[in-house]
Amino acid sequence: DAGVIQSPRHEVTEMGQEVTLRCKPISGHNSLFWYRQTMMRGLELLIYFNNNVPIDDSGMPEDRFSAKMPNASFSTLKIQPSEPRDSAVYFCASSLGSGGAGGYTFGSGTRLTVV
Amino acid sequence: GEDVEQSLFLSVREGDSSVINCTYTDSSSTYLYWYKQEPGAGLQLLTYIFSNMDMKQDQRLTVLLNKKDKHLSLRIADTQTGDSAIYFCALSRDDKIIFGKGTRLHILP
Repeated sequence: DAGVIQSPRHEVTEMGQEVTLRCKPISGHNSLFWYRQTMMRGLELLIYFNNNVPIDDSGMPEDRFSAKMPNASFSTLKIQPSEPRDSAVYFCASSLGSGGAGGYTFGSGTRLTVV
Repeated sequence: GEDVEQSLFLSVREGDSSVINCTYTDSSSTYLYWYKQEPGAGLQLLTYIFSNMDMKQDQRLTVLLNKKDKHLSLRIADTQTGDSAIYFCALSRDDKIIFGKGTRLHILP
């Protein structure tokens, strides 16, 4: 398995533009998580899905953020409009159920810079 | 306080042992994990310990769990430059895994 695949690896955009981050989880994993990592706040859970259904989006910072999981092999995180304070590394992770001994498998992340 | 607490930085000389500590508040976790994040990469599961164990050893890694004190530690023997990374303590809770803020391990020559 190629692991959790995220795209793009790097994104630079201007303030006010729409940004879409993409994630392909590991085949067979039924839970998917979106995290944001910054130096100041560390690793923050934004939203997670179980069997393609959003379970907890309490970590989504504002209405500017939205996430979808149209099928078991694809998820998107959209920011519209983007702001400089959204600059961070965004990680997607997947797991079988709640993780168990295998924990979560993380992608390599998308480094977002909003100028 | 935070659910999972770790010190932010640790400096160790190459060849010495590194001990990264973690304290937590929720004693109901079934699994406790250590993740490693190298620069520019995602978090990678290093090892885990089941809550009914006190110790787990895997090559250079030793995990110790003190449930009474709610303390988890990761010992890395013979620390190498390749061990330079951020190490995250994490616990299972309900249907999620809760992560600490990570300890940045710096290796001194």
